[in-house]
Amino acid sequence: AQSVTQPDIHITVSEGASLELRCNYSYGATPYLFWYVQSPGQGLQLLLKYFSGDTLVQGIKGFEAEFKRSQSSFNLRKPSVHWSDAAEYFCARGSNYQLIWGAGTKLIIKP
Amino acid sequence: DVKVTQSSRYLVKRTGEKVFLECVQDMDHENMFWYRQDPGLGLRLIYFSYDVKMKEKGDIPEGYSVSREKKERFSLILESASTNQTSMYLCASRAGLAGDEQYFGPGTRLTVT
Repeated sequence: AQSVTQPDIHITVSEGASLELRCNYSYGATPYLFWYVQSPGQGLQLLLKYFSGDTLVQGIKGFEAEFKRSQSSFNLRKPSVHWSDAAEYFCARGSNYQLIWGAGTKLIIKP
Repeated sequence: DVKVTQSSRYLVKRTGEKVFLECVQDMDHENMFWYRQDPGLGLRLIYFSYDVKMKEKGDIPEGYSVSREKKERFSLILESASTNQTSMYLCASRAGLAGDEQYFGPGTRLTVT
């Protein structure tokens, strides 16, 4: 079965430091890949998505992600995090009619 | 501005009650989804609908049913609520294509006592 793995349940980074959140997906044809963010008390919001073409994708709020087929990965990055980035981040892949979701990574920002 | 609304943010029900969760979208989307979100498990699909009166089971349909009588409205029904259905319920909608973005409502936190 298709799956999405986010190996880190929690990540803590200092404000201003760089960030990388990991996402691995199971084997399949070139997937649709997504990163969503869920801020406390709010619904999920799309950060960015990848379908094809340039493997480095730019999103909102200064985030980017890189699709690496050889590693089945789609890691999310930000060069300098802000306290407002504290949230839970979900990676997902498209599969026919639905999305397959990772378990999420909670980002904690140290002042 | 696109919008998905859910009828309640917080709901407390007793075991055995019939529970209705309502979701409305204003984007004329064909597809609508109901998920439950539990810590450490991500989002799990309960049901989805690709057209009015059409529905498909997701990964965890047991104990739930759905209704879509109008394009903009998708209801989740817990026929007889149980404590293991205490969870956050998220509704989403999407236009026609698999690669399109899903738009989410704010969620309903349901507690069954």
